[in-house]
This record gives sequence, C-alpha cells and structure tokens, in this order.
Amino acid sequence: AQSVAQPEDQVNVAEGNPLTVKCTYSVSGNPYLFWYVQYPNRGLQFLLKYITGDNLVKGSYGFEAEFNKSQTSFHLKKPSALVSDSALYFCAVRGLTSGTYKYIFGTGTRLKVLA
Amino acid sequence: DAGVTQSPTHLIKTRGQQVTLRCSPISGHKSVSWYQQVLGQGPQFIFQYYEKEERGRGNFPDRFSARQFPNYSSELNVNALLLGDSALYLCASSLAGAGSSTDTQYFGPGTRLTVL
Repeated sequence: AQSVAQPEDQVNVAEGNPLTVKCTYSVSGNPYLFWYVQYPNRGLQFLLKYITGDNLVKGSYGFEAEFNKSQTSFHLKKPSALVSDSALYFCAVRGLTSGTYKYIFGTGTRLKVLA
Repeated sequence: DAGVTQSPTHLIKTRGQQVTLRCSPISGHKSVSWYQQVLGQGPQFIFQYYEKEERGRGNFPDRFSARQFPNYSSELNVNALLLGDSALYLCASSLAGAGSSTDTQYFGPGTRLTVL
C-alpha cells in the first residue's frame, strides 16, 4: 500500500531557529513527493515537489526539502523560521492504485513558531 | 491570474438533503480533482476528472458523484447527506492528468459543509 507518514502532530520552534518537519513515504516505483501548507480556513498552498534529480529541492517562501531514498524520507526544512510560518503542513505522495493516480496525504504537522 | 475558485464558501444542510459544490480551475488547466478533509485529518481523494472524463475515484460511496463541463469547471454532488459528510471539500486543478510527470495540483480555498 502507498502511504505517507508525518510522525509529529506538532513542532514548536523559536523564531530565527531552523525548522524541520518530517515525512516518510511508502510507494512502489519512483516517488513523486509534495509539500503543501494550510493556513486557518484556507485551502492548501503548494510549496515544493520532488520528481527526480537533485535530492535538495527548493520551494516557495524559503522552504526546501531533502529527499532521501535510502531512508524513504522527504523532510521539509527552513534555515530561519518566521512567526508567519505557523500553519499546518502536509506531505503528499502521488500514488498509483488500481490504475488511478492520486495524491495521498499525511495527517499533517502543525508548526508553531514562537516569537 | 485567478487561482482555483470554489463556491459556496460555507454550506449548512440537514441529514438526507443533497448538496452541489462548484469549482472553477485555473485558466488553462484541464484537470480537476476533489478531496474531502475532515477536521484533524489530511485530504482524502474523491474524484479526478480530465478532459471531462472521470479518470479516478477514491473509496467513497455512490452518494458522491461529480462531473466536468466543457469549460473544465466541475461540480461535486453528494446525495442523502450524513452527519459524517461534514468536512472541508477541496478542489484542485492541474494542467494535465495525475499521470503526467509534470502534474502539480493547485488547491482552491474549499467549501465548508456542515450537516446537522
């Protein structure tokens, strides 16, 4: 079965410190991986994706993610957190099930950046 | 450019009623997907439409149906509403179908459905 796991329900980090939001995946074949962010009462905003190539992917708002095939991980990172980064973050993998491609989302990690 | 738009923003229905949610994709996008996001969970895939044809269906009952129009907008219909259908319904659009290697889905703000 194809799946995504976000092991932390919440991550707290001080403003200005580096942040990491963890994601591990299970998928057959080459993984297509995504990170989205959701602000209160809003839809999901695309941050970045990994399709192939460089294991370090740069995205919007200073975020980046590191793909690690041996550890089946795709952790989201930012060198210096802002209070405005506080939101709900979702990792997703594109999976193929019964001939249907679909995005499979994790349960989300709430990031809280403290001033 | 306008992003994905959805209407209505909020909706309150009672059990047994029927509801129709609407979505307009980003201009030039031909694929629309629908997701259900229950409070505290990640979005769950319901349908994908590409070029007006259903290309994928998630594990949802037949009470859920959808269609895509010639202008690529889409409607999601839910019949015989249950309390458990209360959720945020998200629409996402992409240039091509999900099988494309360049596919990225862009989400609308969602419709908050409350079933009483």
